[in-house]
Amino acid sequence: DAGVTQSPTHLIKTRGQHVTLRCSPISGHKSVSWYQQVLGQGPQFIFQYYEKEERGRGNFPDRFSARQFPNYSSELNVNALLLGDSALYLCASSLLPYNEQFFGPGTRLTVL
Amino acid sequence: EDQVTQSPEALRLQEGESSSLNCSYTVSGLRGLFWYRQDPGKGPEFLFTLYSAGEEKEKERLKATLTKKESFLHITAPKPEDSATYLCAVQALGGSNYKLTFGKGTLLTVNP
Repeated sequence: DAGVTQSPTHLIKTRGQHVTLRCSPISGHKSVSWYQQVLGQGPQFIFQYYEKEERGRGNFPDRFSARQFPNYSSELNVNALLLGDSALYLCASSLLPYNEQFFGPGTRLTVL
Repeated sequence: EDQVTQSPEALRLQEGESSSLNCSYTVSGLRGLFWYRQDPGKGPEFLFTLYSAGEEKEKERLKATLTKKESFLHITAPKPEDSATYLCAVQALGGSNYKLTFGKGTLLTVNP
């Protein structure tokens, strides 16, 4: 069975630009969560979506936004990129919001 | 605010030398405690979920236990392929936000 997939794998952007990251959940999973992981730290929660509705939002600025589509895939958008946005962005899917979360391979974003 | 503290930050073992990793947590009400394994540059790989004090789960050389304040990941006779960062996360009861709150992880190195 296919796991969680994310695209792109790597991305290099410059300050002030915009980026869109994509995630496809495990088949049958209806909930998607996004996390940011900087080097040496554990993942930090950004968003959770379930049935296309935002169920939770972490302590991130409004430059971060996300959405979930009818096929349960999801996009994370970040506007006005800062150097500090450089990180591994992880998508996790779960059957329901409170079930075990299974992570994708991540998108490595570098902001120059 | 939910908090997770993992110790030690790094652990170096010889092949076959058993040890334990610690995860201390503070949460208003625990829905579940999760252990993940993460290899460099990759997404976390789900290992275990523990729901209540006294619960234990095993998988190959790994055994996870849970008390009301902490969890232990016991590694018996480790092999070099067990080298990775082990992450602990908690999920709180209540509300519509089912985020995971992670610790910083323990970097385990097993030497042959």
